Amino acid sequence: EAQVTQNPRYLITVTGKKLTVTCSQNMNHEYMSWYRQDPGLGLRQIYYSMNVEVTDKGDVPEGYKVSRKEKRNFPLILESPSPNQTSLYFCASSPREGSQETQYFGPGTRLLVL
Amino acid sequence: GENVEQHPSTLSVQEGDSAVIKCTYSDSASNYFPWYKQELGKGPQLIIDIRSNVGEKKDQRIAVTLNKTAKHFSLHITETQPEDSAVYFCAASLGIMTTDSWGKLQFGAGTQVVVTP
Repeated sequence: EAQVTQNPRYLITVTGKKLTVTCSQNMNHEYMSWYRQDPGLGLRQIYYSMNVEVTDKGDVPEGYKVSRKEKRNFPLILESPSPNQTSLYFCASSPREGSQETQYFGPGTRLLVL
Repeated sequence: GENVEQHPSTLSVQEGDSAVIKCTYSDSASNYFPWYKQELGKGPQLIIDIRSNVGEKKDQRIAVTLNKTAKHFSLHITETQPEDSAVYFCAASLGIMTTDSWGKLQFGAGTQVVVTP
């Protein structure tokens, strides 16, 4: 089944404790992206990657890191989480061929930073 | 950069009635406008999209209209059913033609639609 998977789905942590949220897609998509969803703000892009070893900042990159060592994986790293990073996080992927621009979203990771 | 505003933030409709959600965008160069539906506990899923060379697109009970001059686009759901209850997001993008911005979607804040039986 074609899908984007994220782990963990739920996470409670404390300020300053490094964490990684994994994202994997099995559709051989070139483009991957991370978003955070907050009430009243919709989805805001954190980082995106056009291909392996190619990443760039989105609208709200502060406090986050990403890496794209393989095509299928795009982990999101919070080196020193703070309470304002409490949010719902989504990973998405998209093919980069022809006019296909649809982004396929994972199920989300709900993060609480105490 | 692009700014997308979405209204209303919540919409309650009686089953069988129509629902309309409106979005405005700021960047006249935007040329791709998708709509995503997010059900409870799930990620957003594309339901329909439209490009700037088209004024209207329909898919069964849903339709999207685009007014490039006024820079606004709308989602129309007819004959609403309880399974239409969800959060709907509009988005705008410069589309695939701009290498630097490919895939960068700017989302609206979302509309919570509740369809009551």
